[in-house]
Amino acid sequence: SQTIHQWPATLVQPVGSPLSLECTVEGTSNPNLYWYRQAAGRGLQLLFYSVGIGQISSEVPQNLSASRPQDRQFILSSKKLLLSDSGFYLCAWREGEGEAFFGQGTRLTVV
Amino acid sequence: AQSVSQHNHHVILSEAASLELGCNYSYGGTVNLFWYVQYPGQHLQLLLKYFSRDPLVKGIKGFEPEFIKSKFSFNLRKPSVQWSDTAEYFCAVNAQTGANNLFFGTGTRLTVIP
Repeated sequence: SQTIHQWPATLVQPVGSPLSLECTVEGTSNPNLYWYRQAAGRGLQLLFYSVGIGQISSEVPQNLSASRPQDRQFILSSKKLLLSDSGFYLCAWREGEGEAFFGQGTRLTVV
Repeated sequence: AQSVSQHNHHVILSEAASLELGCNYSYGGTVNLFWYVQYPGQHLQLLLKYFSRDPLVKGIKGFEPEFIKSKFSFNLRKPSVQWSDTAEYFCAVNAQTGANNLFFGTGTRLTVIP
């Protein structure tokens, strides 16, 4: 069966520090991968999605970037965090147009 | 660009009341539509889906979708809610034109009072 791992679960980082959140999927090949930010009252904001290794689409301009170095690995990064980057980040995967499966999420607090 | 609107931010109902959550999307082409639910402390999970290639939409847990193509709406209904339906509900849409993005609405928090 397929599983999705996202870590860390919580993270407190100072302003200006770098960020790396990792997401890996098991039990499927060539999934579509997604990074979302969830905020109260704003739902899930799609940040990035990827349909294959090295293929990244960005939905909103921001201080973040994403990479997909391997088929089942999706990384969310920043070189210098801003206070406004605080939030709850969710990774998800799908096979084609089907159901999306979500990770546990990472609560990021930038101080 | 696609967008999804959920106009009800917080709905409070008593048990056995009827529920209707509204969802409107902006994409004019063929779409796949979803309702996801997030119970307190749990992951987002799929509640039901509508694929234009398979227009028979099936309900689950008493929830029934209402798809009105002419109004670009994909509403969620339940004739009689239970306390256990307390959760946040998200509508989502993606187009079938090759893009694999999946856009979510802002969510509706449902509180059911026993």
